[in-house]
Amino acid sequence: AQSVAQPEDQVNVAEGNPLTVKCTYSVSGNPYLFWYVQYPNRGLQFLLKYITGDNLVKGSYGFEAEFNKSQTSFHLKKPSALVSDSALYFCAVRASGAGSYQLTFGKGTKLSVIP
Amino acid sequence: GAGVSQSPRYKVAKRGQDVALRCDPISGHVSLFWYQQALGQGPEFLTYFQNEAQLDKSGLPSDRFFAERPEGSVSTLKIQRTQQEDSAVYLCASSLWERGPSTDTQYFGPGTRLTVL
Repeated sequence: AQSVAQPEDQVNVAEGNPLTVKCTYSVSGNPYLFWYVQYPNRGLQFLLKYITGDNLVKGSYGFEAEFNKSQTSFHLKKPSALVSDSALYFCAVRASGAGSYQLTFGKGTKLSVIP
Repeated sequence: GAGVSQSPRYKVAKRGQDVALRCDPISGHVSLFWYQQALGQGPEFLTYFQNEAQLDKSGLPSDRFFAERPEGSVSTLKIQRTQQEDSAVYLCASSLWERGPSTDTQYFGPGTRLTVL
């Protein structure tokens, strides 16, 4: 079975400071990893994904994430937080391999950027 | 271009009623997914379509849940004899066939919030 843990329900950061939203995963075989953001009353918006290759993945809106296989982590980062980054962030994993359709999400981390 | 759309956006049903939730994927997207998101939780996989074929329905919680995509485009999620525990946001996502459903980016609709009284 595959699973995702987002250990922090909420992260508070001051505007302009760097932010990190943590994610660890468990999956059989190689993982495919995704980050999505959800604004109130809206669906999930794709930020970035790791499939293969460079462990540092750059995505939308200045976000990036680093795949760390030994620590089974895929933390989301941004060098300078904006108030508009305040939202709910979800990490998700899917196992590689044929017939692997299920995307498993974490419970989400609420990011609050304080002006 | 147009994204994934879902209707209705909000649905209130009395326990025991049947409901139908519609998803219009992005034009040309081969893959279509349904998820259930309970309050305060992440989305949970329900079912997957590749064109009109339902290849995975392992996440459907009971036989009261039924999904179809008869022409490989619009999909409908039907819930029969709704129960209070069915109250959730139902999300639809679609993806274009690039390398396959495991790696392709899923694009989500705004969801339908179902409340069962």
